[in-house]
Amino acid sequence: DAKTTQPNSMESNEEEPVHLPCNHSTISGTDYIHWYRQLPSQGPEYVIHGLTSNVNNRMASLAIAEDRKSSTLILHRATLRDAAVYYCILRSHGGSQGNLIFGKGTKLSVKP
Amino acid sequence: DTAVSQTPKYLVTQMGNDKSIKCEQNLGHDTMYWYKQDSKKFLKIMFSYNNKELIINETVPNRFSPKSPDKAHLNLHINSLELGDSAVYFCASRGLAGGGTQYFGPGTRLLVL
Repeated sequence: DAKTTQPNSMESNEEEPVHLPCNHSTISGTDYIHWYRQLPSQGPEYVIHGLTSNVNNRMASLAIAEDRKSSTLILHRATLRDAAVYYCILRSHGGSQGNLIFGKGTKLSVKP
Repeated sequence: DTAVSQTPKYLVTQMGNDKSIKCEQNLGHDTMYWYKQDSKKFLKIMFSYNNKELIINETVPNRFSPKSPDKAHLNLHINSLELGDSAVYFCASRGLAGGGTQYFGPGTRLLVL
């Protein structure tokens, strides 16, 4: 699986939008972009994923660059509960086991 | 309803002991995983398993062995525990739908003394 690059940490104020960037310049055509997050003392949880088009769900939006070499996870109104480590992961849907290769992620702090 | 559950939540044991961690998923998924998260918070896959194929991360010592009594369970057995085995262990499962989304359990915090 191709590697991703994320900032180590980011800060946000409560109720403001948050844009979490991810660079994946070596992405291949079969790689989907997945985002997971890990709240303190919990297991990772799925946030969103996409291939080429921007995606929206109840948790977040995913904006994918036209060349697919970068993407941005958007939390529209950060809450204190959104403080977590956010992982951007490339996963080839052609892989036999769908393994997720976690990097260091971005630790998001949300200030009240 | 808990989709992926693990027991125990905490496990404290002595070096050299043998222990097991249990994982159950009620999602009807075919593929299950074990991950290890060390003190530096790096999350690494240990095993992936479906009812036909076990794939082992080559860096995992053979003291670790997954055992699956049925499709809904993937237990992790650890022989001759070492201090370096102290970590949080996460179980996860994946179905065929939903773009391969994985669902993680709450984790088992293992401390080897």
